[in-house]
Amino acid sequence: DAMVIQNPRYQVTQFGKPVTLSCSQTLNHNVMYWYQQKSSQAPKLLFHYYDKDFNNEADTPDNFQSRRPNTSFCFLDIRSPGLGDAAMYLCATSRTSGTERSQPQHFGDGTRLSIL
Amino acid sequence: AQSVTQPDIHITVSEGASLELRCNYSYGATPYLFWYVQSPGQGLQLLLKYFSGDTLVQGIKGFEAEFKRSQSSFNLRKPSVHWSDAAEYFCAVAPPGTYKYIFGTGTRLKVLA
Repeated sequence: DAMVIQNPRYQVTQFGKPVTLSCSQTLNHNVMYWYQQKSSQAPKLLFHYYDKDFNNEADTPDNFQSRRPNTSFCFLDIRSPGLGDAAMYLCATSRTSGTERSQPQHFGDGTRLSIL
Repeated sequence: AQSVTQPDIHITVSEGASLELRCNYSYGATPYLFWYVQSPGQGLQLLLKYFSGDTLVQGIKGFEAEFKRSQSSFNLRKPSVHWSDAAEYFCAVAPPGTYKYIFGTGTRLKVLA
């Protein structure tokens, strides 16, 4: 089945130690999103790639970066994780073309990040 | 201001009872509308979507939702809840002219045996 796969499912890192989360998709969708979700809250969009174009949300901290080396893969880099960055990180994809609004977003199962 | 509201933070129902989860939005034109479900420790799964046409939308797992333009609402319903439906439910909209979602704050459903 076509899907969105996130690795690892659980990640533990130390305060201030860089960490990378990965997302891959077999849906061939042109848009990929990264969300941060804290307990009992809605997902919060950090940034997204529309094809190769990176789009940052205005309130996303500089500590968060992303890379999309090809259509299938997208990475979330946290340069110096703080305790407040402990959360579930969700990757999603969608297909969008031109002025049409997108088809639904498809989500991965997330990576739960813990900071020691 | 543009927003999506899910008025109920928590809802508890007995197994076999009917369910209605509320979602209201405030946009000038009708956005694309979605309902997602999230089980603990999992990602979001699409239950159903509304783009246009028939205002009663059927989804997976026996869920349906009705779009009411006059009330700016897109409420989710299920006639008979199963214990496995216990989860968090999110309403999301894609406003006109954008493909990004605005999420509601979610409703946590608890099902009593």
